[in-house]
Amino acid sequence: GAGVSQSPSNKVTEKGKDVELRCDPISGHTALYWYRQRLGQGLEFLIYFQGNSAPDKSGLPSDRFSAERTGESVSTLTIQRTQQEDSAVYLCASSSGGVKFFGPGTRLTVL
Amino acid sequence: SQQGEEDPQALSIQEGENATMNCSYKTSINNLQWYRQNSGRGLVHLILIRSNEREKHSGRLRVTLDTSKKSSSLLITASRAADTASYFCATDASGTASKLTFGTGTRLQVTL
Repeated sequence: GAGVSQSPSNKVTEKGKDVELRCDPISGHTALYWYRQRLGQGLEFLIYFQGNSAPDKSGLPSDRFSAERTGESVSTLTIQRTQQEDSAVYLCASSSGGVKFFGPGTRLTVL
Repeated sequence: SQQGEEDPQALSIQEGENATMNCSYKTSINNLQWYRQNSGRGLVHLILIRSNEREKHSGRLRVTLDTSKKSSSLLITASRAADTASYFCATDASGTASKLTFGTGTRLQVTL
């Protein structure tokens, strides 16, 4: 596709519910990243995929967070039993080298 | 954890003036990148400077890198209202398809 796309663009959920966020990377990009950005702050690294394996999961904040990737395409980030502190913009990026291309993000609000 | 720290946290200038933002980092890097973010959503890549480079230009942007001081600066010349955004530096430690570690960002406001 033309760029990285993410869905939904906005998600409002109640505390305790599970949510699933989707990322469609640029076609042909082998690397895919998830970042979290809390209001007014920088980006926190969550997880990195190379193909469908995840060599670096060091940023996942708890076992409530998990991510999968199908081949070298779509990735889903799942947050189970959401908490209010999970509220943030979740950004996905893909790359085939040094420059990362970011999607528009999913704004998650946990009430 | 945040690798970089941007300075200043916020900057307000008038259109036509130059804007300088600084970034410091802690560990060895392969390259350093600057990104712009509008409205708290997607990031746009601006420029990449490799560890063996000292200065790089792209249009109205000028980036310097001092690996001995572990610092970089981004200069935007002749600023425009459309430059209003948050600017982040990000370091790449390995140079391969590895994660970027972002700084805390500088919020730039350009007024008419």
